[in-house]
Amino acid sequence: GAVVSQHPSWVICKSGTSVKIECRSLDFQATTMFWYRQFPKQSLMLMATSNEGSKATYEQGVEKDKFLINHASLTLSTLTVTSAHPEDSSFYICSANKGRAFFGQGTRLTVV
Amino acid sequence: GQQVMQIPQYQHVQEGEDFTTYCNSSTTLSNIQWYKQRPGGHPVFLIQLVKSGEVKKQKRLTFQFGEAKKNSSLHITATQTTDVGTYFCATAFGNEKLTFGTGTRLTIIP
Repeated sequence: GAVVSQHPSWVICKSGTSVKIECRSLDFQATTMFWYRQFPKQSLMLMATSNEGSKATYEQGVEKDKFLINHASLTLSTLTVTSAHPEDSSFYICSANKGRAFFGQGTRLTVV
Repeated sequence: GQQVMQIPQYQHVQEGEDFTTYCNSSTTLSNIQWYKQRPGGHPVFLIQLVKSGEVKKQKRLTFQFGEAKKNSSLHITATQTTDVGTYFCATAFGNEKLTFGTGTRLTIIP
């Protein structure tokens, strides 16, 4: 199967700082990638669709200026959580499709 | 927006017992996918169903898509400790973005 790699797997940051999360498709090209957020004991909620070479499409209620998405190449999408606050602490997961969805390992963000 | 509900939210079973989780949508779905997420892990694709009334089996797992394509079920026969995790149904739309169900968390009592 295809491989999607996400980095870092966990990060702790201070309130007010920014954190960048990378999502890479290792063995295939992905013009579209998806970013999800999962709070403890809850389901995955789609945040945005990352489009290579164009602007990301954000789901309703997701602040595009807070969650910056860049899809600069066919194998890399990045999610930057800007001015992070404790309520942004969550599990962030990316996915890319090759016949079906392949997920990254996820990034557990803790904002202190 | 599209909502996909799952029941039960939690299920505790004795090892060896069967387990079933149900997925329901208020609208007709073009497809249903099932994922398993182990504690601390990421979702892992199990299967996709697209046909009305479709039934697929993977060893002890049986997946079913309803005739009206509004509901689906996952049944595990004779659960094992390795079955522990949260099972999500999901449906894919046009550009393949997924809407996940609420999930069923399965715990096994050895």
